[in-house]
Amino acid sequence: DTAVSQTPKYLVTQMGNDKSIKCEQNLGHDTMYWYKQDSKKFLKIMFSYNNKELIINETVPNRFSPKSPDKAHLNLHINSLELGDSAVYFCASSLGTSRGEKLFFGSGTQLSVL
Amino acid sequence: GIQVEQSPPDLILQEGANSTLRCNFSDSVNNLQWFHQNPWGQLINLFYIPSGTKQNGRLSATTVATERYSLLYISSSQTTDSGVYFCAVGGGATNKLIFGTGTLLAVQP
Repeated sequence: DTAVSQTPKYLVTQMGNDKSIKCEQNLGHDTMYWYKQDSKKFLKIMFSYNNKELIINETVPNRFSPKSPDKAHLNLHINSLELGDSAVYFCASSLGTSRGEKLFFGSGTQLSVL
Repeated sequence: GIQVEQSPPDLILQEGANSTLRCNFSDSVNNLQWFHQNPWGQLINLFYIPSGTKQNGRLSATTVATERYSLLYISSSQTTDSGVYFCAVGGGATNKLIFGTGTLLAVQP
């Protein structure tokens, strides 16, 4: 069983559309994250939830809205998609937020906005 | 915020060679991890190593926290070692990790 799974793996859409990416982890972790990897491979954190509570909210346009219905799921909804949103989006999880928690990543969602 | 620099940015090796990748960071941290992103894009956690030395097969890592650097050693490299190696540092109350820009490794047969 995949520990951290994201769907879809590929997402191709037109500018202005609204789309969602789903993430689920079966590791029993309390904390989940969204990272964005740009075309130069740079990885930057976007959001983090600990036990359904938002704890990290980086400088991200408010068109991006994360939702955590329970601690095993963290979804990312993006409104009014723009060309610059094209990137690979990674979900990750960790046991918690205390010092020294290892991050485990999903396989990524490659978003292409045309 | 914390700055993370990795070197070299690119590295080409012949199969069987050894290599050392470096990660420098600008502030004290309580979390440091090394990741490998394979050519298919999967990010694999290699080490959690805020200080000290660890080994896992042909890979080992050392972090000297007082001098704010970490090293990743790859011995007897194989073509499957190709990909991008990232160092990530941080921690704090939210376990926020800042990633370096990575080292792109190509191992040729």
